[in-house]
Amino acid sequence: GNSVTQMEGPVTLSEEAFLTINCTYTATGYPSLFWYVQYPGEGLQLLLKATKADDKGSNKGFEATYRKETTSFHLEKGSVQVSDSAVYFCALRWYAGGTSYGKLTFGQGTILTVHP
Amino acid sequence: NAGVTQTPKFRVLKTGQSMTLLCAQDMNHEYMYWYRQDPGMGLRLIHYSVGEGTTAKGEVPDGYNVSRLKKQNFLLGLESAAPSQTSVYFCASSLAGAGYSYTFGSGTRLTVV
Repeated sequence: GNSVTQMEGPVTLSEEAFLTINCTYTATGYPSLFWYVQYPGEGLQLLLKATKADDKGSNKGFEATYRKETTSFHLEKGSVQVSDSAVYFCALRWYAGGTSYGKLTFGQGTILTVHP
Repeated sequence: NAGVTQTPKFRVLKTGQSMTLLCAQDMNHEYMYWYRQDPGMGLRLIHYSVGEGTTAKGEVPDGYNVSRLKKQNFLLGLESAAPSQTSVYFCASSLAGAGYSYTFGSGTRLTVV
């Protein structure tokens, strides 16, 4: 079945450091890939997405590239801020059509803490 | 555009009590979902619906029931609450198709004592 594996956290960085959160996936077919962010006490928000191989999703300085050859979708940011402290979830969605509803499969989440 | 709205935001129940969590979306999404989030467990799917009048079980459906009488609403019921159901509950909705993301509500924090 489909699965998503994220790097284990928590990740602690100083402000302005470079961020990478690794995400790899196993899937049947060609899924779409997503990064969600969850700030303390809030629900999940879509951060970025990519729907086909070699697509790059970007938002708020974050980027991730859909790498089919390595089945990866690593999240990167060049200079993190204290306000980026949150939990980050990698996810995939594959829709076969018909009776398939296209379940969103999540990774386990990575806690990021950024210190001033 | 409100997106996905969950009510209530917080609730404390005694063991054995019942309650209903309401989820409403105004995006005309066909699919709706209920998740629970526990520390160290990530998100687990409780029930989902692919259209008005339809519901299906997710990964952890025991102890919960759902109804989707109207396209915009998805209700999650706890008939006899147990301490193990203490959690944060999230509702989400989406369009069909792999390229569409889910839109999540802000959550309901439920404590069963």
